[in-house]
Amino acid sequence: KQEVTQIPAALSVPEGENLVLNCSFTDSAIYNLQWFRQDPGKGLTSLLLIQSSQREQTSGRLNASLDKSSGRSTLYIAASQPGDSATYLCAVRLGDYKLSFGAGTTVTVRA
Amino acid sequence: EAGVAQSPRYKIIEKRQSVAFWCNPISGHATLYWYQQILGQGPKLLIQFQNNGVVDDSQLPKDRFSAERLKGVDSTLKIQPAKLEDSAVYLCASSSTGGKWNEQFFGPGTRLTVL
Repeated sequence: KQEVTQIPAALSVPEGENLVLNCSFTDSAIYNLQWFRQDPGKGLTSLLLIQSSQREQTSGRLNASLDKSSGRSTLYIAASQPGDSATYLCAVRLGDYKLSFGAGTTVTVRA
Repeated sequence: EAGVAQSPRYKIIEKRQSVAFWCNPISGHATLYWYQQILGQGPKLLIQFQNNGVVDDSQLPKDRFSAERLKGVDSTLKIQPAKLEDSAVYLCASSSTGGKWNEQFFGPGTRLTVL
């Protein structure tokens, strides 16, 4: 059974600092990995999707890397802003096409 | 393009009562998913539909939960009777197909509180 872990569970940084969010998974036979953002009381917004053949994906201030062999992905957010405060979830797509989610990292960016 | 719509946004019920949630996926999306997200946890898939057929309901507690997707568009998830541990956010998502490359788009969710 695929286990997805996100550490730390919560993170607080001052505005302008770079954010580094970690995701690890136990089974490297994934099709892709997706990072989501969840605001309080809201659904999930997809940030980046990395296919299993890719090493990284970038969108604006966001960069996500994937190391399948070690079962790890990292989401980098450059020059954080108070608007980046949210919960960030990673999810891996398995052979049966299901998404298996981590519990998320709750980020607070202090002005 | 309109996103995934869900209603109601919030619901508070007593245990042993019944409740139903509604989802309207993105137009043209064949695959629809219902997830349960308990506070502090990631979403867990309850059921997946491809058009109006069930693809996977292995994690749906079938003694109390039911779901249908008539005509392959809207879907309803029902809980009857509710238990305290059903308190969670219920998320609906859709994708153009159920294939491994296809991105899922999520609705805002329904927050259920069972007292």
